Amino acid sequence: DVKVTQSSRYLVKRTGEKVFLECVQDMDHENMFWYRQDPGLGLRLIYFSYDVKMKEKGDIPEGYSVSREKKERFSLILESASTNQTSMYLCASSPSTGGYVQPQHFGDGTRLSIL
Amino acid sequence: DAKTTQPPSMDCAEGRAANLPCNHSTISGNEYVYWYRQIHSQGPQYIIHGLKNNETNEMASLIITEDRKSSTLILPHATLRDTAVYYCIVRVGFRDDKIIFGKGTRLHILP
Repeated sequence: DVKVTQSSRYLVKRTGEKVFLECVQDMDHENMFWYRQDPGLGLRLIYFSYDVKMKEKGDIPEGYSVSREKKERFSLILESASTNQTSMYLCASSPSTGGYVQPQHFGDGTRLSIL
Repeated sequence: DAKTTQPPSMDCAEGRAANLPCNHSTISGNEYVYWYRQIHSQGPQYIIHGLKNNETNEMASLIITEDRKSSTLILPHATLRDTAVYYCIVRVGFRDDKIIFGKGTRLHILP
């Protein structure tokens, strides 16, 4: 089974802090994604990556950055945390198969609270 | 991506088959139907997907109508652990891009 592991299930940080959320997948997937999920707003894509050292902005990249130095690891960085970044953050991965859409596999999420 | 319509909630007795409908009347010929579910406090879980043929795996069956405008996810023997929000989505793309969930169907399994 595909395993996507997020470093923390719950995290509490203060406004202005730099926050790192880590995600690791064990299936050698090329594609990795960061989403946030908020009540009434559904799932929104923050950043994604198709390969090591590659990154592309999703729908709501403002206030976030990402890092992908190794294939299995995709980090989300909140440069200066703000209260409106309190949310559930979900990491996902999928393989690239050149022309056939593959399902994304999700981690269990990190519930981040910014005080 | 085409939009989908699902009932907001459904009940099913434990041990019975749960049949979850989804309408996707504007689906394009190269769009797949995907189903995910999300159990409370967990990340979304992939269940099954298909293009036009019916599909079955160890979790569920997917029945797609001949005109592809609707589909049904079948959980053959529902258990309490199947209580979750179920999302039907349609997707196309040569690269795996973002997933957009609608409101989904909240499935309650009754003991």
